[in-house]
Amino acid sequence: LAKTTQPISMDSYEGQEVNITCSHNNIATNDYITWYQQFPSQGPRFIIQGYKTKVTNEVASLFIPADRKSSTLSLPRVSLSDTAVYYCLVGSLSGSARQLTFGSGTQLTVLP
Amino acid sequence: NAGVTQTPKFRVLKTGQSMTLLCAQDMNHEYMYWYRQDPGMGLRLIHYSVGEGTTAKGEVPDGYNVSRLKKQNFLLGLESAAPSQTSVYFCASSLPRSNTEAFFGQGTRLTVV
Repeated sequence: LAKTTQPISMDSYEGQEVNITCSHNNIATNDYITWYQQFPSQGPRFIIQGYKTKVTNEVASLFIPADRKSSTLSLPRVSLSDTAVYYCLVGSLSGSARQLTFGSGTQLTVLP
Repeated sequence: NAGVTQTPKFRVLKTGQSMTLLCAQDMNHEYMYWYRQDPGMGLRLIHYSVGEGTTAKGEVPDGYNVSRLKKQNFLLGLESAAPSQTSVYFCASSLPRSNTEAFFGQGTRLTVV
């Protein structure tokens, strides 16, 4: 399973765009890149998933360079309610691993 | 459509006691997982199942057993609880596609004294 490295914590202010970068140098050909959000006392919630280039949904954008060794989660115009831990995962549920591996995540704190 | 439901939400056990955590999903998902999360840490996979009647070990399986007798249910058992098993336990489920979108329950907070 590909290991991921992401910053332990980040601070931002309301209304700003936040970019969280994740490194995954050993990503495999079949691996997808997925980001989850977790609020205190809740289970993680799926945010976005991508394989290459750029993916955008109503919540976030995910930028993946051609070599796929890193990815960047972009949260536009954050609010106080975006304060949470964000996890970057690399893997595939169709492969023999068939499991999700969570790292330590990035604690994002949005300040007023 | 309740999604993933965990029972119970809270539990206090004495060392050596046994208990079973129940996870139920109503989305007809093939894959189910049990994770534990310790304070300030990420989630660690205990066991998982890729279908009814099948289970596999994850990263930290020792001290736990699981069963998947029905597709919608995934049970996590602690035969002899230890203080080191004090944690928050999360169950999740997903479809067997080549993506990584899983749905998590609200968690079970277990304290072993």
